[in-house]
Amino acid sequence: GDSVTQMEGPVTLSEEAFLTINCTYTATGYPSLFWYVQYPGEGLQLLLKATKADDKGSNKGFEATYRKETTSFHLEKGSVQVSDSAVYFCALRDNTNAGKSTFGDGTTLTVKP
Amino acid sequence: DAGITQSPRHKVTETGTPVTLRCHQTENHRYMYWYRQDPGHGLRLIHYSYGVKDTDKGEVSDGYSVSRSKTEDFLLTLESATSSQTSVYFCAISPGTSTVGELFFGEGSRLTVL
Repeated sequence: GDSVTQMEGPVTLSEEAFLTINCTYTATGYPSLFWYVQYPGEGLQLLLKATKADDKGSNKGFEATYRKETTSFHLEKGSVQVSDSAVYFCALRDNTNAGKSTFGDGTTLTVKP
Repeated sequence: DAGITQSPRHKVTETGTPVTLRCHQTENHRYMYWYRQDPGHGLRLIHYSYGVKDTDKGEVSDGYSVSRSKTEDFLLTLESATSSQTSVYFCAISPGTSTVGELFFGEGSRLTVL
């Protein structure tokens, strides 16, 4: 079945540092790929997405590129802020199987001033 | 705002009692999902629905049942709760009839089974 593996955390960075959270996937079809973010006490919300190979998703300074050849969707941000502290989930969605989504285990990011 | 509400938001119950969690949507979305979130496991799919009375199992369906008698409500039932079902439960919907785009999540229901 489908699976998502993302970099284990927690990750602690200083403000303005560069962020990379690695994500790789296995899927039988051509899934859509997502990064979701979760703030304390809340549900997940979409951060960015890419629906086909070589697409780049971006939002709020975060970026990720759908790499089919390496089955990866790494999340990057050039300069993190304290407000970026949250849990980040990589996910794929199988558009051929009732759109079921598979999530990574989540990476907790803490940004210190 | 995808108009998703979950109830109850918090519940404490005892082992062996039945529990029902409700997910309500205000739009006419076709696909609805129930996930549980546990530390170190991300989100795992319990059950999903692709229409009224059309449901199927996810990867961790044992001990859970669901019902969808009308489009707007998707109920998750624990027939006899166990401590291993202590978790945070999230409902999610997919807008319209899409199977490509992102999911929208409710705020979660925290269940504690003593």
